[in-house]
Amino acid sequence: AQTVTQSQPEMSVQEAETVTLSCTYDTSENNYYLFWYKQPPSRQMILVIRQEAYKQQNATENRFSVNFQKAAKSFSLKISDSQLGDTAMYFCAFKVSSGSARQLTFGSGTQLTVLP
Amino acid sequence: DVKVTQSSRYLVKRTGEKVFLECVQDMDHENMFWYRQDPGLGLRLIYFSYDVKMKEKGDIPEGYSVSREKKERFSLILESASTNQTSMYLCASSFGLSSNEQYFGPGTRLTVT
Repeated sequence: AQTVTQSQPEMSVQEAETVTLSCTYDTSENNYYLFWYKQPPSRQMILVIRQEAYKQQNATENRFSVNFQKAAKSFSLKISDSQLGDTAMYFCAFKVSSGSARQLTFGSGTQLTVLP
Repeated sequence: DVKVTQSSRYLVKRTGEKVFLECVQDMDHENMFWYRQDPGLGLRLIYFSYDVKMKEKGDIPEGYSVSREKKERFSLILESASTNQTSMYLCASSFGLSSNEQYFGPGTRLTVT
C-alpha cells in the first residue's frame, strides 16, 4: 500500500515571497505519478502540477515547480512570487501507473495562507 | 471545460435517514470517484466506478453504497446516516487508466444530527 505524508499542516508566506511545501511518500512501485492539487476556500479542487516518476526533469507550471527526489521519495512544491490567490489547501497525491490502477492516494494537506 | 456538479453544497440530515448524494459529469469520463474529506486526514476514497454498473470499494466503504446507472451520473448512498458520517464529500471523474488528472466537484458538506 502507498502512503503520502505532508508534515506541515499550516504554512504562511508573505505576498511575492517564495514558499516550499513538503511531501514524502512510501511505495514499492517503480512507475508512478505524483500530483499537487489545490483547493481554494469554498472552491473546487484543481490540479496544480504533475510529475511522472520516470522523468528526471522536475515539472514546472509558471510560478509552480517541484523538487522530485525519487531515491528519497520526496516531492516538494515550490511557489514563487506568491499571490493572495494562492491561499488554499494543497494536497500531494500519488498514483501507480500499472495495470488498472485508477486510485489516487492523498496526503493530509497543507493549509497555505498568503499574507498581504 | 470539464464540469463536475454535485446535487447539494450543504445538507443536514437526521440519524437513521437514507441520504443520496448525486454527482454528474459532462465529459464522458469512464471513471468516477467518491471521496470523504476530513481535517487532518486528507481525502479518503469511499468507492469508485470505472464503467456503468461497475464499482469497486475504496479505503472506507463501510456504511456507504453507490450506484452508476448512467455513465455521467454516480450516486453515493448512506443507507442509515450516522453522526460519524458528518463530513465533506467530494466527487471526481477522470478519463482512462494512466496519468490523467481527476476533476473534482464543489463538494457537499453533510451534517448528520
